[in-house]
Amino acid sequence: AQRVTQPEKLLSVFKGAPVELKCNYSYSGSPELFWYVQYSRQRLQLLLRHISRESIKGFTADLNKGETSFHLKKPFAQEEDSAMYYCALSDAQKTSYDKVIFGPGTSLSVIP
Amino acid sequence: DAGVIQSPRHEVTEMGQEVTLRCKPISGHDYLFWYRQTMMRGLELLIYFNNNVPIDDSGMPEDRFSAKMPNASFSTLKIQPSEPRDSAVYFCASIQTSGLNTGELFFGEGSRLTVL
Repeated sequence: AQRVTQPEKLLSVFKGAPVELKCNYSYSGSPELFWYVQYSRQRLQLLLRHISRESIKGFTADLNKGETSFHLKKPFAQEEDSAMYYCALSDAQKTSYDKVIFGPGTSLSVIP
Repeated sequence: DAGVIQSPRHEVTEMGQEVTLRCKPISGHDYLFWYRQTMMRGLELLIYFNNNVPIDDSGMPEDRFSAKMPNASFSTLKIQPSEPRDSAVYFCASIQTSGLNTGELFFGEGSRLTVL
């Protein structure tokens, strides 16, 4: 069964410190992993996906199939990074699209 | 495009009353998802549709919940009768899987439901 876990409900870091939000998954097929972010009073939105291999707002995430992890990292946290972060998983096949499962979320608070 | 539109934004009702939440997906999107967000459980997938057809409703908590998508531009999530434990933020999201598929879900602003 598909499952996404985020072990930390709350994470506080000081501004300028490195931040890592953990995400682990269980999936029998070939997963597609995403990070979504919800800033205060804004819609939930895509931050990045592993296929694109890009850095968004200084954040990166590497898919580690051996450890079944997709941790989100940023070397220097900024106050505007304070938000709720959700790791998500789906199995996007060529001919169909499967449901997107979200982890429980991690609330990141960056302390000035 | 105004994005995914949900209504109402806020709903306060009494236990036992019927609640109907509405969603208008982005035009051209062929999948629609209903999620529920709570502090305890995070984002839970309730049901999703493809081309107006329900594909998976295994996340619907119980028979009090039902969802419909009569056409490509409208979906409803109904709770009858409502209970205090249904209090949550309900999100609708849509995605287009043809053409340039980035895998990105587009979310509405959510409907915050409070059942007293």
